[in-house]
Amino acid sequence: GAGVSQTPSNKVTEKGKYVELRCDPISGHTALYWYRQSLGQGPEFLIYFQGTGAADDSGLPNDRFFAVRPEGSVSTLKIQRTERGDSAVYLCASSLEPGQAGGYTFGSGTRLTVV
Amino acid sequence: GDSVTQMEGPVTLSEEAFLTINCTYTATGYPSLFWYVQYPGEGLQLLLKATKADDKGSNKGFEATYRKETTSFHLEKGSVQVSDSAVYFCALRGVQGAQKLVFGQGTRLTINP
Repeated sequence: GAGVSQTPSNKVTEKGKYVELRCDPISGHTALYWYRQSLGQGPEFLIYFQGTGAADDSGLPNDRFFAVRPEGSVSTLKIQRTERGDSAVYLCASSLEPGQAGGYTFGSGTRLTVV
Repeated sequence: GDSVTQMEGPVTLSEEAFLTINCTYTATGYPSLFWYVQYPGEGLQLLLKATKADDKGSNKGFEATYRKETTSFHLEKGSVQVSDSAVYFCALRGVQGAQKLVFGQGTRLTINP
């Protein structure tokens, strides 16, 4: 596609529920990144994929968070037993190659609200 | 670990005023430095970048110079416009863990006509 697409754009869920957030990167981009942006803060790194594998998941806050990219294109961020503190905008970005000097192309994000 | 500290906002200026948004960083070695902009209702967009000391990044009238001696990457524009109203993020990509960006907290800029 023309840009990085994230769905849904907004998600409201109850505390304790399971959610999935989807990211569709730019076609041909091998590297994919997930970030989380809390209100009034800058984005924080969660996980980076190179192809199908998670090359760096050091930013995942705990084992309730998990992400997959089974075919090296679309990625899904999964959050189990959601907590109110998980409320944030979840951003996805992709790049043609890892560490591309020009930076990354970001999607518009999924705003997750846990009530 | 690597970190970025930005000038706290919000910043409000009149059209045609001079803009400076301060950014300093802490990192090992020589990181790459970026400014991203987030316009209302849109995603983060790369504004400019610099990959080595003394490099100057520029775009849309904005400039920032990579200063290794002061570990800074301040954003400047000589004459701002209403359309520059947005949130600006300074970021670095470190030498270690080089596949991720580390962002500052963002500075909200409002330009009044």
